[in-house]
Amino acid sequence: AQSVTQPDIHITVSEGASLELRCNYSYGATPYLFWYVQSPGQGLQLLLKYFSGDTLVQGIKGFEAEFKRSQSSFNLRKPSVHWSDAAEYFCAVGANQAGTALIFGKGTTLSVSS
Amino acid sequence: DTAVSQTPKYLVTQMGNDKSIKCEQNLGHDTMYWYKQDSKKFLKIMFSYNNKELIINETVPNRFSPKSPDKAHLNLHINSLELGDSAVYFCASSSGQGYGYTFGSGTRLTVV
Repeated sequence: AQSVTQPDIHITVSEGASLELRCNYSYGATPYLFWYVQSPGQGLQLLLKYFSGDTLVQGIKGFEAEFKRSQSSFNLRKPSVHWSDAAEYFCAVGANQAGTALIFGKGTTLSVSS
Repeated sequence: DTAVSQTPKYLVTQMGNDKSIKCEQNLGHDTMYWYKQDSKKFLKIMFSYNNKELIINETVPNRFSPKSPDKAHLNLHINSLELGDSAVYFCASSSGQGYGYTFGSGTRLTVV
C-alpha cells in the first residue's frame, strides 16, 4: 500500500531565505508524485509532478522538487521565499493502477517571517 | 470560467438533516473524486467515479451517497448528518492519475 510522510508539521522561514519541505513515500514501484499548495480557505493547487525522466522537476511559482529513489523522497525547494508563499503544502503519491486515488501526506504549514 | 466548481461553498445545518453538495467540471475529465479534509487538514479519499461508474468507495458511512448523472457532474448526498461530519469536502477531477487532479475550492460543512 502507498503512504506518504511529511515529517515537518510547521516550518517558519524568513522572507528571502531558501526553503525545503520534506516528503517521504512508500510504494513498491515508481509512483506518481505531486506537490500541492493550499492557501487559507482555498482549494488545492498543483505545484509540480513527477513520474519519470529528469529527477529534478520544475513547477509553478518558482518551486522545484527532486526525486531520490534511494531515499524514497520527493522534497520541495524554493531558493527565495516570498511572504505570499505562506500556506499549507501537501505531498501526494499515486499509483499507475486503475481504481486508486492519490494519497496525501498530512501537510506542512509554512509561515514566512519578515 | 471555473474548472471545477462546487456548491455551496458554506453549509451550516443541524444534526439529523439531509444535505447535498454539487460538483461540476468543465475540463472534459473522465474521473471525479470526493475528498474529506478534517480539522487537522488531513485529506482522505471518499469516492471516485470514472465516466459515471463508481470505482472507489472507501470505508465511509452509508449515510454518504455519491451520484454521477454524467461524467461532468458528481454530487454528494449526506443523510442524517452528525457532528463528526463537519469538515471541508473537496471535489476533484482528473484525466489520468499521472496528470494530477484539479480541485474545487471546497465546501465547508458545519453540523450544529
